Amino acid sequence: QKEVEQNSGPLSVPEGAIASLNCTYSDRGSQSFFWYRQYSGKSPELIMFIYSNGDKEDGRFTAQLNKASQYVSLLIRDSQPSDSATYLCASSWQFYFGTGTSLTVIP
Amino acid sequence: DTGVSQNPRHKITKRGQNVTFRCDPISEHNRLYWYRQTLGQGPEFLTYFQNEAQLEKSRLLSDRFSAERPKGSFSTLEIQRTEQGDSAMYLCASSFQDYQETQYFGPGTRLLVL
Repeated sequence: QKEVEQNSGPLSVPEGAIASLNCTYSDRGSQSFFWYRQYSGKSPELIMFIYSNGDKEDGRFTAQLNKASQYVSLLIRDSQPSDSATYLCASSWQFYFGTGTSLTVIP
Repeated sequence: DTGVSQNPRHKITKRGQNVTFRCDPISEHNRLYWYRQTLGQGPEFLTYFQNEAQLEKSRLLSDRFSAERPKGSFSTLEIQRTEQGDSAMYLCASSFQDYQETQYFGPGTRLLVL
């Protein structure tokens, strides 16, 4: 069992819609979680981190953490074609990354 | 702040050759990480340093791989006797040791072993 698992996708949404990306983790020792965006051929870039239960909002992005259920999610509101990328969920515990979810926003 | 830099950006080598990659972290960051990423996968942790000390090493890392960070600044990753399966993107990241420990990634070194 992988430490961090993501819904494999690919995910396609129309422009302006909400994109929902999910991630589950197995190690209860994990404290902080990160969402990275990775464009094809590029390195990951940080979007958000979250370490408290509940929601954290930053512009069009909202991260949600539920430690009891061991899942983390990322919502992207008003999706834009420039959001098309692979989104990686990562746990700070043991530096685990998920395999990523490919998102395509259709104009 | 010039960000994390890696050199070379691309490397093509023949099977059996040794290769060495360099990573220069963000200057005030005391932690440095190496990852390997293949197509369709997330970054796979290899090793990390706090200052000059190598604190953790993935059990997946064979003895052909070695990493150093001699003065707690830049780091090198060496692969000896390369194999075709070593072909991947090698990513370096750095972070500052605080509650957040956000890792900032370099552009990566793409290795192709022929």
